[in-house]
Amino acid sequence: DVKVTQSSRYLVKRTGEKVFLECVQDMDHENMFWYRQDPGLGLRLIYFSYDVKMKEKGDIPEGYSVSREKKERFSLILESASTNQTSMYLCASIKTRVYQETQYFGPGTRLLVL
Amino acid sequence: GQQLNQSPQSMFIQEGEDVSMNCTSSSIFNTWLWYKQDPGEGPVLLIALYKAGELTSNGRLTAQFGITRKDSFLNISASIPSDVGIYFCAGLNNAGNMLTFGGGTRLMVKP
Repeated sequence: DVKVTQSSRYLVKRTGEKVFLECVQDMDHENMFWYRQDPGLGLRLIYFSYDVKMKEKGDIPEGYSVSREKKERFSLILESASTNQTSMYLCASIKTRVYQETQYFGPGTRLLVL
Repeated sequence: GQQLNQSPQSMFIQEGEDVSMNCTSSSIFNTWLWYKQDPGEGPVLLIALYKAGELTSNGRLTAQFGITRKDSFLNISASIPSDVGIYFCAGLNNAGNMLTFGGGTRLMVKP
């Protein structure tokens, strides 16, 4: 079974802190994604990566950056956390770039910024 | 980015009832996917639809890919308490490299 893990299930941070959210997948997938989930808005794509050291902006990249130094790991970084970044963050991965299969999701990290 | 309109936003039904939810888009998609998210977990794929007009079942779930390729619906028959969760539709773009999600339908089932 594909497994996508996220480093924390719950995080509480203060405004202005730098926050790292880690995602690891164990199935050698090339493609990894970071979404945020907010009530009524569904899942919105923040950043994605098709390969190591490669990144592309999604729909809402402002206030975020990412790092993909190794194939299995995709990190989301909040350089200076703000209260409007309180949300559920979901990581996902998939094998091929052009696909008709599913993305596999991690369990999510619920971030609260005070 | 483009958005999918998913409705209803929430449903509170009696156990045993059938459920229907749908998604519409102003854009064409080549693939429609339906996910379920249990509380505290990430979404899990339920059904994938690859061709316009396709009707696919997975147990008590049935989903259809609209003929216009701009909509899809999901039906759940004879609901049970474990059907509780948030259901998301998602459309795959023509390039086959990005999913767009609907806003979700929160389903609550009363035993």
